Amino acid sequence: DAKTTQPTSMDCAEGRAANLPCNHSTISGNEYVYWYRQIHSQGPQYIIHGLKNNETNEMASLIITEDRKSSTLILPHATLRDTAVYYCIVSRSGGYQKVTFGIGTKLQVIP
Amino acid sequence: IAGITQAPTSQILAAGRRMTLRCTQDMRHNAMYWYRQDLGLGLRLIHYSNTAGTTGKGEVPDGYSVSRANTDDFPLTLASAVPSQTSVYFCATRDSDRGSGYTFGSGTRLTVV
Repeated sequence: DAKTTQPTSMDCAEGRAANLPCNHSTISGNEYVYWYRQIHSQGPQYIIHGLKNNETNEMASLIITEDRKSSTLILPHATLRDTAVYYCIVSRSGGYQKVTFGIGTKLQVIP
Repeated sequence: IAGITQAPTSQILAAGRRMTLRCTQDMRHNAMYWYRQDLGLGLRLIHYSNTAGTTGKGEVPDGYSVSRANTDDFPLTLASAVPSQTSVYFCATRDSDRGSGYTFGSGTRLTVV
């Protein structure tokens, strides 16, 4: 599975959009981009995933560049409860998986 | 039971003792995983199972063993605990046939003294 690169930490003002970048320049054609977040000491939580088209759900939007080498997770109106570590992962959608999550981006939402 | 149940929630264990961390799911997901999380190192895969009856080694398998006798249960065993195995352990599942994301349990905090 391809590796990803994320900033170690980011700040965002409450109510503003939080844009979390992820580089995955070695992504393969059949690999999806997945995003998760981990709030404090809880288990990670799935947010969204996509292959090449932009995706949106009730939690966030995912923007994937045309060359698929990078993506951005957008939290449109960040709240204090969005303070968490965000993980970007690339992997195939089905079949055999062996994924390591890395250290992610620590997002701090500031009042 | 709803989702993934991990037990115990936390445990203090004497070095050299044997310990089994339990993980049970009710979602009928075919794939299951064990991760450990340590400060500054993120989540690292210990062992995984793509389907009942099969298991495989992850990134940090030494000192751990797993079994997958059925779809729902995926216990992680520390045969002889050492202090470096002090960590938070997360069990996860995935419906790989549908390409879904991972679902994680709430974790087990283990301290080996």
